[in-house]
Amino acid sequence: QKEVEQDPGPLSVPEGAIVSLNCTYSNSAFQYFMWYRQYSRKGPELLMYTYSSGNKEDGRFTAQVDKSSKYISLFIRDSQPSDSATYLCALPPNAGGTSYGKLTFGQGTILTVHP
Amino acid sequence: EPEVTQTPSHQVTQMGQEVILRCVPISNHLYFYWYRQILGQKVEFLVSFYNNEISEKSEIFDDQFSVERPDGSNFTLKIRSTKLEDSAMYFCASNQGAAGYTFGSGTRLTVV
Repeated sequence: QKEVEQDPGPLSVPEGAIVSLNCTYSNSAFQYFMWYRQYSRKGPELLMYTYSSGNKEDGRFTAQVDKSSKYISLFIRDSQPSDSATYLCALPPNAGGTSYGKLTFGQGTILTVHP
Repeated sequence: EPEVTQTPSHQVTQMGQEVILRCVPISNHLYFYWYRQILGQKVEFLVSFYNNEISEKSEIFDDQFSVERPDGSNFTLKIRSTKLEDSAMYFCASNQGAAGYTFGSGTRLTVV
């Protein structure tokens, strides 16, 4: 079983739509999760970082963790064409919370927001 | 804002040739990484480096690959004898804490 799985899309929405991006993970011991955004031919950039269950909001972005289902989500409200990118969920180095080490990325969901 | 710098942005090389990809991590970071992304596939971990030695490597990182921190600022990835399947985007990253991972813009390696 893969550590983290993500629907690669692609996802195409009109400007202003609410976007929902999702990942599932297999190891219930993980305590925090990350969402990265990657523009074409650029490196991933950290978008949001969430710890434990519940919601975290940052402007138009909301990250949600459902540990009982091992499901993480990223919602984008009032989506803009500039949000068009690949969105990657990522697991931290290990379930114990060490801050150093490899990240494990999902496949990435390609999002296009058209005007 | 501090950034991770990678050079070159694009490298074309012939199969069997050696290539060196270069990175300048963020100056006060202590952990350095190389990741690879084959076109259309996920970002994959290659190797992590701390205190002048490899701390972890993936199964992708075989004897053809090596990393080095030749001075206080540069961090390099060498591929000794490139294969067609090494064609990918290579990203360098550094971090200080889980929220502090910073990736470079990548080097696109094309092996012909």
